[in-house]
Amino acid sequence: AQSVSQHNHHVILSEAASLELGCNYSYGGTVNLFWYVQYPGQHLQLLLKYFSGDPLVKGIKGFEAEFIKSKFSFNLRKPSVQWSDTAEYFCAVNSNQAGTALIFGKGTTLSVSS
Amino acid sequence: DGGITQSPKYLFRKEGQNVTLSCEQNLNHDAMYWYRQDPGQGLRLIYYSQIVNDFQKGDIAEGYSVSREKKESFPLTVTSAQKNPTAFYLCASSIVGLGEQFFGPGTRLTVL
Repeated sequence: AQSVSQHNHHVILSEAASLELGCNYSYGGTVNLFWYVQYPGQHLQLLLKYFSGDPLVKGIKGFEAEFIKSKFSFNLRKPSVQWSDTAEYFCAVNSNQAGTALIFGKGTTLSVSS
Repeated sequence: DGGITQSPKYLFRKEGQNVTLSCEQNLNHDAMYWYRQDPGQGLRLIYYSQIVNDFQKGDIAEGYSVSREKKESFPLTVTSAQKNPTAFYLCASSIVGLGEQFFGPGTRLTVL
């Protein structure tokens, strides 16, 4: 069965620090990869996605992620976090088939202090 | 505006009662999904539907039921058989085949 592991449950950073959130998945086939973010009191929204092509993908708000197929990883990065990045971050995977539901990791809570 | 609406935002029910959560989308998406979110558990799939009048069980379907009579609507019923129904419920939709899902604002259900 597909599964998604997020390595950090809670990350605490100061403003301007760099961020890297780990995500590993277990599936041998072709996958689509996503990072979603849930800001306090807001909808779950898409940060970035990878379907194919360049393994380094850029998303909204300065986030990027790198797909490393050999490591089954899709880590999220941001060079300099802001207080407004405080949120919960979810990595998700589905297979490259029509209509397959997303499998989510358990989430990482990011707290940024100003 | 195109999007997904869920109602109500907060719902309180007594133990033993069935309750139905509404989800409507005007994005013309074929696929719709229901997830349950619990603290520290991420999102877990309850049911999904790729086409009208058809749906499949997800990982935690026991104690839940759905219907898909219209493309725009995918209501979820939490039955009295669901042992721990208090949770945050999220509805999503997507164009079948593209993977990216769009989420509604959620319904927080509390069973007293």
